[in-house]
Amino acid sequence: EDQVTQSPEALRLQEGESSSLNCSYTVSGLRGLFWYRQDPGKGPEFLFTLYSAGEEKEKERLKATLTKKESFLHITAPKPEDSATYLCAGSTGANSKLTFGKGITLSVRP
Amino acid sequence: DTAVSQTPKYLVTQMGNDKSIKCEQNLGHDTMYWYKQDSKKFLKIMFSYNNKELIINETVPNRFSPKSPDKAHLNLHINSLELGDSAVYFCASSLRGQPQHFGDGTRLSIL
Repeated sequence: EDQVTQSPEALRLQEGESSSLNCSYTVSGLRGLFWYRQDPGKGPEFLFTLYSAGEEKEKERLKATLTKKESFLHITAPKPEDSATYLCAGSTGANSKLTFGKGITLSVRP
Repeated sequence: DTAVSQTPKYLVTQMGNDKSIKCEQNLGHDTMYWYKQDSKKFLKIMFSYNNKELIINETVPNRFSPKSPDKAHLNLHINSLELGDSAVYFCASSLRGQPQHFGDGTRLSIL
């Protein structure tokens, strides 16, 4: 069965304190690894798609990387507005079904 | 100019009732989805339609029935609501194989 596991479950950082969020996956026939951000009371907002091991993508303070078994979301010098839940999902099959992890709740203190 | 919109935003109802949630997208996407997010925030796919054809149908009680009248709309009808149906239901859309765009959810509470 396809599985996506995220760790840690929650992360508290001081403003400016860089860190990484981990997403490990056992997904057969992975077609893409997706990162989303979810704010309270809102739907997930798309951040990145990674398709092959070694690929990296960046957006402002966020950088996503992919290996054959894991993906990392690196947050450099985070700000309080980066506080949110970050979801990782693997896409499989011809119908691009997404299997989500449980998410990592990030809190950044000023 | 909301991209994926769901109605209602909140739904509070009694056990045993039948209710519907509506979803509309104005992104020109050909694929739409329903997800359930439980109290532990775990997001799980329920159904997906591509060009009005059902392409993903996960193990969901048959009290849940999706309907897609056209490519821009996907509705979810739930019969005989149970306590365990309480959750946030998200609609999403995409071009097939591309990133999915989500609505802001319908919070369903069963009394």
